[in-house]
Amino acid sequence: QKEVEQDPGPLSVPEGAIVSLNCTYSNSAFQYFMWYRQYSRKGPELLMYTYSSGNKEDGRFTAQVDKSSKYISLFIRDSQPSDSATYLCAMSAIINTNAGKSTFGDGTTLTVKP
Amino acid sequence: NAGVTQTPKFRVLKTGQSMTLLCAQDMNHEYMYWYRQDPGMGLRLIHYSVGEGTTAKGEVPDGYNVSRLKKQNFLLGLESAAPSQTSVYFCASSYSRAGTRTDTQYFGPGTRLTVL
Repeated sequence: QKEVEQDPGPLSVPEGAIVSLNCTYSNSAFQYFMWYRQYSRKGPELLMYTYSSGNKEDGRFTAQVDKSSKYISLFIRDSQPSDSATYLCAMSAIINTNAGKSTFGDGTTLTVKP
Repeated sequence: NAGVTQTPKFRVLKTGQSMTLLCAQDMNHEYMYWYRQDPGMGLRLIHYSVGEGTTAKGEVPDGYNVSRLKKQNFLLGLESAAPSQTSVYFCASSYSRAGTRTDTQYFGPGTRLTVL
């Protein structure tokens, strides 16, 4: 079983819709939670970063972490065609004094239709 | 400030050939990583480095070697390419180790490798 499971998609929504992207995880040591956005044929870029449980909002994007349920979500309000991309959740923990461990979900591909 | 760059962008190899992928970053980051991305398998860590002159194995290191002779460069080598190594390879760098508040990873644009 993978440490991080992400809703596979693909997801297709009309412009203006609210989008919910979700990941679950099994490793209790994860303490930092990230969402990366990856446009086609590009490298991933960090979108949101959250420490521990709670919500974090940045414009149209809200990241939510529920450590008790080992569940994280990314909400996109008023979705735009420019939001069409693959979204990767990522989580990290410290494994020793020198290095940490980051684990990525497989990604969910989102298409927002005009 | 170019961020993270990767060379080459595309490459086609025959089985058994060797090649080196070059990653360079100009952000003075200590940590550098090599990932491969395959459909349905997400990003998998091949090797990483916590500083100049150091390397360590990641999740899928077999068939790959790396070197970090200079802080800004991280090389990924394939000694004898196999079709199973057909993938998109991403290099990333970060200021601090994963699991800290400043561990944001900055990714390069990727190298698309096909092994025939």
